[in-house]
Formats: sequence, structure tokens, C-alpha cells
Amino acid sequence: AQSVTQLGSHVSVSEGALVLLRCNYSSSVPPYLFWYVQYPNQGLQLLLKYTTGATLVKGINGFEAEFKKSETSFHLTKPSAHMSDAAEYFCAVRSRTGGYNKLIFGAGTRLAVHP
Amino acid sequence: NAGVTQTPKFQVLKTGQSMTLQCAQDMNHEYMSWYRQDPGMGLRLIHYSVGAGITDQGEVPNGYNVSRSTTEDFPLRLLSAAPSQTSVYFCASSYRGQERDEQFFGPGTRLTVL
Repeated sequence: AQSVTQLGSHVSVSEGALVLLRCNYSSSVPPYLFWYVQYPNQGLQLLLKYTTGATLVKGINGFEAEFKKSETSFHLTKPSAHMSDAAEYFCAVRSRTGGYNKLIFGAGTRLAVHP
Repeated sequence: NAGVTQTPKFQVLKTGQSMTLQCAQDMNHEYMSWYRQDPGMGLRLIHYSVGAGITDQGEVPNGYNVSRSTTEDFPLRLLSAAPSQTSVYFCASSYRGQERDEQFFGPGTRLTVL
């Protein structure tokens, strides 16, 4: 069965500092990988996804993630944090097989950005 | 284009009451889903639908019913509310097909069961 582990339920960074949010997955076959962001009192919004091809994926708002098969990881990074990045971030996976795009979510990481 | 809409935004129920959470999308998406979000647990799939007239269970279906009579609407019914169903509920929709399957989420319904 697939599962997703996000290391660190809370991450705090200074404005301008590097953002690194960690995600590891467990799956017998490398799945599709996603990062979603949730701003306060809103639904989830897709940041980026990896399906095939280049393992470094660029998303919206300056975020990127790298798929590392050997490490079963898909960590999210941003070179310089902005106050507006404060939100909760969810890593998710879905199987490459099957007719329905069932997403398995991690527990989430809440990012705080302080001046 | 309103995307995915959910009503109500907030609801308080007493134990044993029933209610229906509404979800609608105007993007002609084949797939629709209901998730619940609980602290420290991410989102868990309750029920989903791959098209009008077709529904199936997700990870946590007990206590919930769904139906899909139209492409646009996918209501979630709580038959007899319990405090364990206190949560934030999200509806999502997407196209069918692996390359077009980004899920679009509604703004959520915050439900409290007393």
C-alpha cells in the first residue's frame, strides 16, 4: 500500500531564507507525486506535480521539487521565503495504474515565515 | 467559471441529526471526490465518483452516503451525525485521464457535531 511521510509538522523560517519541506513516499512502483498548498480557510491548490520526464519540477510561486527515486523522496524547496508563503503544504501520491486518480496525502507541514 | 463550490461554509449539528453537504462544479469534470481533513492526518478520501451514476468508497466511508445523478453535483449525506465526524470537508473534481487529472478543490465546509 502507498503511504506518504512528511517530516516536520511545523517549519519556521526567516523571510529570505531557504524553504525545505520534506516528503518521502512508500510505493512498490514510483507513483505520481504532488505538492499542494492550503492558505488559511481555503481549499487546496496544486503547486507542482511529477509524472514523468525531468526529475526537477518547477511550480508556481517559485517553488520546485526534485524526484529522487533512490531516496523515495520528493522534497519541496524555494530559495527565498516570502511572508506570503506562510501556509500548510501537503505532499500527495497517486498510483500510475487504475482508473481513478486516488490521492494519498501526507499529514501536512505548516510553514511559518517571520520577518 | 465558479470552479468547485461547496455549501454551507459552516455547520453545527447535534448528535444524531442528519444533513447534506452540497458540492457542485461547472468544469464538466468526470471525477469528483469528498475528503475530510483532520489535524495531523492530512486529507482522507471518503467517497468518490468517476461519472454520473457511479460512486465508490474511499478510505473512511462509514457514516456517509453519496449519489451522483448529474455530472455537476455530488452531495455528501451524513445519516446520523456523530462527534467523530467533526471535521473540515472538501470536495474536489478533475478530468478523467492521467495527464489532465489535477484535482480542483472547493473552499471546504467546517462541520461541528456536538
